[in-house]
Amino acid sequence: RKEVEQDPGPFNVPEGATVAFNCTYSNSASQSFFWYRQDCRKEPKLLMSVYSSGNEDGRFTAQLNRASQYISLLIRDSKLSDSATYLCVVNNPPNNFNKFYFGSGTKLNVKP
Amino acid sequence: NAGVTQTPKFQVLKTGQSMTLQCAQDMNHEYMSWYRQDPGMGLRLIHYSVGAGITDQGEVPNGYNVSRSTTEDFPLRLLSAAPSQTSVYFCASTPGWGGEQYFGPGTRLTVT
Repeated sequence: RKEVEQDPGPFNVPEGATVAFNCTYSNSASQSFFWYRQDCRKEPKLLMSVYSSGNEDGRFTAQLNRASQYISLLIRDSKLSDSATYLCVVNNPPNNFNKFYFGSGTKLNVKP
Repeated sequence: NAGVTQTPKFQVLKTGQSMTLQCAQDMNHEYMSWYRQDPGMGLRLIHYSVGAGITDQGEVPNGYNVSRSTTEDFPLRLLSAAPSQTSVYFCASTPGWGGEQYFGPGTRLTVT
């Protein structure tokens, strides 16, 4: 079983739509969770960290469900510029808290 | 700050050749990692380092060596290139425990 699993998509949505992605992880001891954004042929960049209580940054909301071992990302009022691949990232204790595993990414296409 | 830099940006090797991918960061981060990204596979951890002189293997270490003699530099060596090592290689650094990773722009390697 993969450490981190995501639906590869693509998710094709119109501008203004709300879209949600889920990501499941296998290591119940994981402590750090992130969503990264990757544009085509570019390096990943941090979109947001995911906290136990959930957190929001503008149009983006991230949630963590430890009991079911998944994290989610909700994007409201989608913009054309949101088109990208969204990567779920989880760390892998207890061996090393800075050993991270990436999901294979979920591709989002926002259409006019 | 330049952040994380990688050289070269592009490289073509013949099977059996060796080479070193360079990675440097000027943010004084203790933790550095190397990933490879293949289509549909997401990023997979090759090797990582928790400080100068300390390295460890990730998910896919075979065929690669690393060393970390300084905080700033973390080179990745391909010992005898194989077509299966054709990929995009990303270097990343992390300032602290389980935190955000900062990525370099990547090296696109083709082995023929």
